[in-house]
Amino acid sequence: QKEVEQDPGPLSVPEGAIVSLNCTYSNSAFQYFMWYRQYSRKGPELLMYTYSSGNKEDGRFTAQVDKSSKYISLFIRDSQPSDSATYLCAMTYNYGQNFVFGPGTRLSVLP
Amino acid sequence: DTGVSQNPRHKITKRGQNVTFRCDPISEHNRLYWYRQTLGQGPEFLTYFQNEAQLEKSRLLSDRFSAERPKGSFSTLEIQRTEQGDSAMYLCASSRGHSEVPDTQYFGPGTRLTVL
Repeated sequence: QKEVEQDPGPLSVPEGAIVSLNCTYSNSAFQYFMWYRQYSRKGPELLMYTYSSGNKEDGRFTAQVDKSSKYISLFIRDSQPSDSATYLCAMTYNYGQNFVFGPGTRLSVLP
Repeated sequence: DTGVSQNPRHKITKRGQNVTFRCDPISEHNRLYWYRQTLGQGPEFLTYFQNEAQLEKSRLLSDRFSAERPKGSFSTLEIQRTEQGDSAMYLCASSRGHSEVPDTQYFGPGTRLTVL
């Protein structure tokens, strides 16, 4: 079993849809949870991070962490074609330590 | 803040050759990380530096892989005797390394290696 699993995708949605992206993990020691967006042939860019359990909202993006279930989610509201990218969840035990990434979910938002 | 830069962006080499990649982190970032990313997978951690000290290298894929950061600024990743399985995107990231939560890693565009 991989340490971090992610919905395989690819996922295609119409413009304006609400998108739900999910990851599960096996190691309960993870404390920090991040979502990165990666466009084709580019490096990942940080979208959001959360610490421990709870929700965090930033514009059209909401991140949720449920440590009891070892499950994290990213919701995108009013999705736009520019949101088309691969979304990677990442997590770490402590600040400054290496991140463990999920395999990514490729999202296409169709105009 | 000019971002993390990596060179070259693409490298094609023949099996058995040595290759070296360079990463220039964001200025004043103390930490520098190397990752490998294969098609359809997330980045896989290889090694990282705090200034010039290499603090974690057990994840380097084999003894053919080595990394340096001699003056605590730019870093190089070398792969000796390349194999076709080394074909991947090699990503560099840097972070401030201060006690902020989290220590956000900023990624470069990557170097895509193709081993023929």
